Amino acid sequence: EVQLVESGGDLVQPGGSLRLSCAASGFTLSSYWMHWVRQVAGKGLVWVSRINNDGNTTNYADSVKGRFTISRDNAKNTLYLQMNSLRVEDTAVYYCATEDGRAFQHWGQGTLVTVSS
Amino acid sequence: DIQMTQSPLSLSASVGDRVSITCRASQSISSYLNWYQQKPGKAPKLLIYGASSLQTGVPSRFSGSGSGTDFTLTISSLQPEDFATYYCQQSYTTPRTFGQGTKVDIK
Repeated sequence: EVQLVESGGDLVQPGGSLRLSCAASGFTLSSYWMHWVRQVAGKGLVWVSRINNDGNTTNYADSVKGRFTISRDNAKNTLYLQMNSLRVEDTAVYYCATEDGRAFQHWGQGTLVTVSS
Repeated sequence: DIQMTQSPLSLSASVGDRVSITCRASQSISSYLNWYQQKPGKAPKLLIYGASSLQTGVPSRFSGSGSGTDFTLTISSLQPEDFATYYCQQSYTTPRTFGQGTKVDIK
């Protein structure tokens, strides 16, 4: 069974850091581009970042560029999102998702990041 | 960035109704348009990819159409489990962008 499991979400103060993980099982992570998408409670889906199959190409939303870093360890079948200089407006549920170049086929269950003093 | 605009943002319908949701892109995206369903507290689920291709396991009452800038998701006969929020998303270019979502609830 294809499964993505996010972890690492927590309550953190503004200016702090967190690292999210997304562990894949039931398939080979290296077969897919991987994305992070976030959702503020009661609001819509917002794309955050993308990484290609081998990790050599990354893209970021303007709102997180320079603060967040996406990476992957294909040997561990795991995707990461390093989040630095966190802001209150980064508070959201963060989802990881696979993409085969067409659509986001598989999603994790999400992990909640709360940035508050 | 490509802007995706959905309409309506909410609609009330009854079981058995035919429901349509539209999505407009700010520039042509060919057929790189996907539709997702999300229920409260759950991750989104892919319904339609490539504007009109049904994802494996998705009921045939769901269909998608359109190309270029204008797209439609249609549910031919609304079922109780279809009450949810629906999002369109373009995969033509990065950043990937989503529509605002359309909430379908019970009339």
